[in-house]
Amino acid sequence: QKEVEQNSGPLSVPEGAIASLNCTYSDRGSQSFFWYRQYSGKSPELIMSIYSNGDKEDGRFTAQLNKASQYVSLLIRDSQPSDSATYLCAVGGAYSGSARQLTFGSGTQLTVLP
Amino acid sequence: DGGITQSPKYLFRKEGQNVTLSCEQNLNHDAMYWYRQDPGQGLRLIYYSQIVNDFQKGDIAEGYSVSREKKESFPLTVTSAQKNPTAFYLCATGRNTGELFFGEGSRLTVL
Repeated sequence: QKEVEQNSGPLSVPEGAIASLNCTYSDRGSQSFFWYRQYSGKSPELIMSIYSNGDKEDGRFTAQLNKASQYVSLLIRDSQPSDSATYLCAVGGAYSGSARQLTFGSGTQLTVLP
Repeated sequence: DGGITQSPKYLFRKEGQNVTLSCEQNLNHDAMYWYRQDPGQGLRLIYYSQIVNDFQKGDIAEGYSVSREKKESFPLTVTSAQKNPTAFYLCATGRNTGELFFGEGSRLTVL
């Protein structure tokens, strides 16, 4: 059974700080990695995807992937109260058929304090 | 207006009833998925379909059924065999890169 683990939080950071969200996964052959943001009562929204080791930056968001350590993280710079949400880590499988079956972590609840 | 439309947004079911949740997309994505989310938990895969007239069970398919008669539509039936159906149901479509895009969800409550 593939597993994706996240700290459930809640994680609180002051406005303007860097929020760091972490995720580990069990399937060593996983090829695709995603971060979703989910506001309370709403559906998940894709914010980042990453496929190769290293960093990927998009605006205030940076995704970091280390396949050797089976670890993926999301950094949010200059955190804003509007970033307060639950962040879901999702991992795609090891081969082309399973790559499109994502396994989700249980999410980390982030609160940005004004 | 491109996107994924789920209906109804809220649904109440009496014990022993089957209910069907609708999911329609106009993104021209081949793959469609149904996930279930319980409070404070992640998403669990119920069924998925990568092409018309074909679908596979996910991790928690018992008590659910689906059909995929056309590319745009992937309805989910919650049968009376599903013992704990109260949940937030999410339909998604997927690109070949693995990215999933979600509809707004349907919240089912059993009375």
